[in-house]
Amino acid sequence: QQPVQSPQAVILREGEDAVINCSSSKALYSVHWYRQKHGEAPVFLMILLKGGEQKGHEKISASFNEKKQQSSLYLTASQLSYSGTYFCGTRAGVTGGGNKLTFGTGTQLKVEL
Amino acid sequence: DAGVIQSPRHEVTEMGQEVTLRCKPISGHNSLFWYRQTMMRGLELLIYFNNNVPIDDSGMPEDRFSAKMPNASFSTLKIQPSEPRDSAVYFCASSHGQNYGYTFGSGTRLTVV
Repeated sequence: QQPVQSPQAVILREGEDAVINCSSSKALYSVHWYRQKHGEAPVFLMILLKGGEQKGHEKISASFNEKKQQSSLYLTASQLSYSGTYFCGTRAGVTGGGNKLTFGTGTQLKVEL
Repeated sequence: DAGVIQSPRHEVTEMGQEVTLRCKPISGHNSLFWYRQTMMRGLELLIYFNNNVPIDDSGMPEDRFSAKMPNASFSTLKIQPSEPRDSAVYFCASSHGQNYGYTFGSGTRLTVV
């Protein structure tokens, strides 16, 4: 079953912050985050392994709560270049269940001046 | 590194014709994935290979779809016969392993008329 992302869409003014959530009905081994711009391929942002770690680089970070089977992506001081559709990808099971990801429903983010 | 290379970028074909999509993964990546993306269903995994061996093809819609990976540097996805409902963007992705992100190719936009 596909992970559910919220919100479905969000519009920000440049400089504002946003949080995108990803929720799964299955126990998770790891969570990936990707950004896809219109007409392009998804681009890998980061991976979080079970253990509740938080990762980030510059103004984009993420957390993973394995007990709640949830992950959140945090975008701070948004820039125009952050616009796109964000997908979480989840790997289920205690040991990962193989090297395949199930992608979430996607969140469209638009940053305006 | 040239990244994951897919061909063709666009394909328009008539219903009933055979379609072959091609993918060259990143050298050294041992996992290869074929995904299909549509507005209605999002990113769906069709099949994935580990070390050239098909591991999970449960996402392949039906017998009209087949995939091969004859060596570490080449994979094909074939649809025969094609139908209008197969119209989508088909992405190939590769990965270094279970705890690494995916690198996606530019995709093949398939239109079946």
